[in-house]
Amino acid sequence: AQSVTQPDIHITVSEGASLELRCNYSYGATPYLFWYVQSPGQGLQLLLKYFSGDTLVQGIKGFEAEFKRSQSSFNLRKPSVHWSDAAEYFCASRRGSAQGGSEKLVFGKGTKLTVNP
Amino acid sequence: DAGITQSPRHKVTETGTPVTLRCHQTENHRYMYWYRQDPGHGLRLIHYSYGVKDTDKGEVSDGYSVSRSKTEDFLLTLESATSSQTSVYFCAISPGGRGEKLFFGSGTQLSVL
Repeated sequence: AQSVTQPDIHITVSEGASLELRCNYSYGATPYLFWYVQSPGQGLQLLLKYFSGDTLVQGIKGFEAEFKRSQSSFNLRKPSVHWSDAAEYFCASRRGSAQGGSEKLVFGKGTKLTVNP
Repeated sequence: DAGITQSPRHKVTETGTPVTLRCHQTENHRYMYWYRQDPGHGLRLIHYSYGVKDTDKGEVSDGYSVSRSKTEDFLLTLESATSSQTSVYFCAISPGGRGEKLFFGSGTQLSVL
């Protein structure tokens, strides 16, 4: 079954430090991959997505993510974290067209980011 | 922001009572989804719809039913609410197609006592 794993439940970084949030997906082939962010009491906002092409994708708010097929990973990075980045981050995937496609989007359990001043 | 309205925003009900949550969109998007969010579980798909009267089950569909009689409305019904269904429920919409993103509503906090 399709699944997404975010190994880190909670990460704490200092403001200005670099950030990497991990995500692994279960499909062997190339799914469509997404990172969403949720601020407290809010819905989810899309940061970036990958479905083909360049394996390094740029998103909003200075985030980027790299798709690595060999590791079944899609890790989210930011070179310098701001206090306003404190939120919960969700990785998600859906089957790509090469696998028959699907509109079912499956989410990981999330990683909560705390930013220390 | 995408036009998605969830109602009610908050609801407290008793075990065994029926509950219906409504999601209304003004974007004319084909796909609509219901997710529940619980601590430690992230978001889990309950049901989704790929057109009027076309729905399919998600990961955690037991105890829930849905209906979509119009493009703009997607209803989630708990026929007989249980305490395990206490959660935050999010509706999402998408135009569909390759790599399209989901737009999320603001959520409904449901407490079943």
